[in-house]
Amino acid sequence: AQSVAQPEDQVNVAEGNPLTVKCTYSVSGNPYLFWYVQYPNRGLQFLLKYITGDNLVKGSYGFEAEFNKSQTSFHLKKPSALVSDSALYFCAVRDEGGATNKLIFGTGTLLAVQP
Amino acid sequence: DAGVTQSPTHLIKTRGQQVTLRCSPKSGHDTVSWYQQALGQGPQFIFQYYEEEERQRGNFPDRFSGHQFPNYSSELNVNALLLGDSALYLCASSFADSSPLHFGNGTRLTVT
Repeated sequence: AQSVAQPEDQVNVAEGNPLTVKCTYSVSGNPYLFWYVQYPNRGLQFLLKYITGDNLVKGSYGFEAEFNKSQTSFHLKKPSALVSDSALYFCAVRDEGGATNKLIFGTGTLLAVQP
Repeated sequence: DAGVTQSPTHLIKTRGQQVTLRCSPKSGHDTVSWYQQALGQGPQFIFQYYEEEERQRGNFPDRFSGHQFPNYSSELNVNALLLGDSALYLCASSFADSSPLHFGNGTRLTVT
């Protein structure tokens, strides 16, 4: 069964420094991968997706993600972190087995950006 | 253009009671999915509704049921509440099988 793993519960970075939030995936076919962000007591906001094409995907709020098939990874990146980026980040993969756009989420990574 | 709206925002229930949560999808969307997000966890898929029918179901007991109305809005019903049902319940909408999903802000259910 397909899955995603987020190996870090928390990532700490200083404002202005580059950030990376890691995600690895396990699928049998071609992956449809997503990143979402969740602010306290809010729902999930879509950041970006990879379906096919360029391995570097650009998304909202200056975020980008790099798809690496050989390493089965889809890490989220941003060149310069902002304090306002502090939030919970989820990686997700679209379920291959069903006929729907069901997503399977990772456990989330809390990003803390210090001023 | 209103996004996905959910009501109520917070709810406190007692074990054994029943609860109904409501969701209105984003304008133009016809498919509604429900997810349960327990504290410290990622969202878990409960089920999806399209054309007023349940299309796919996750690993949740029959105590969890749903409905979709002709205007595409949806309800999630949970019977015989357990303490473990305490969670943030998220509604997500889309147009058919398109991506990405658009999420509402959720309903925080506390079972005491």
